[in-house]
Amino acid sequence: EDQVTQSPEALRLQEGESSSLNCSYTVSGLRGLFWYRQDPGKGPEFLFTLYSAGEEKEKERLKATLTKKESFLHITAPKPEDSATYLCAVVSLGGSQGNLIFGKGTKLSVKP
Amino acid sequence: DGGITQSPKYLFRKEGQNVTLSCEQNLNHDAMYWYRQDPGQGLRLIYYSQIVNDFQKGDIAEGYSVSREKKESFPLTVTSAQKNPTAFYLCASSHGHSNQPQHFGDGTRLSIL
Repeated sequence: EDQVTQSPEALRLQEGESSSLNCSYTVSGLRGLFWYRQDPGKGPEFLFTLYSAGEEKEKERLKATLTKKESFLHITAPKPEDSATYLCAVVSLGGSQGNLIFGKGTKLSVKP
Repeated sequence: DGGITQSPKYLFRKEGQNVTLSCEQNLNHDAMYWYRQDPGQGLRLIYYSQIVNDFQKGDIAEGYSVSREKKESFPLTVTSAQKNPTAFYLCASSHGHSNQPQHFGDGTRLSIL
């Protein structure tokens, strides 16, 4: 069964304290892995797509990487405005069209 | 600006009542989706549609119905058969390929009176 696990569930950082969020996946062939940011009461905001192991994408203080079993979202020198829940999702080769499998998310809090 | 509009933002349902959640997109996307989000759980797929006049059940379709009469619109009806409808409902859209990112609206929060 295709599965996505995110860790930790919650992460508290001081402003400027770099860290990483993990997304482990078990799928019957990876078609794509997606990272989203979700603020309270809002819909997820698309951040990155990764398609193959070794691929990396960057946007401001965020950098996403992909291996054959997991993805990391690295946050460098975070600011309070980076506080949000970060969601990881995958589409597998064995899945039907539209079957995006989501993890439960990591809630990030950045204190000034 | 292009985007996805969900309405209303908050909705209350009485026992035995059907309610309809609206989703409109002006991104010219072919595919549209409905998800349900509950606290402590990942998003779960209710229904999706790849083209007009066609839609498929997702993982938790029981108690829900949809229609896709126009490319821009994909309304979701929560029927009285859905016994636990209280949740945050999210609509998304994407270009037709399954490895393209889905873009989301800002959701409708449904509660039971």
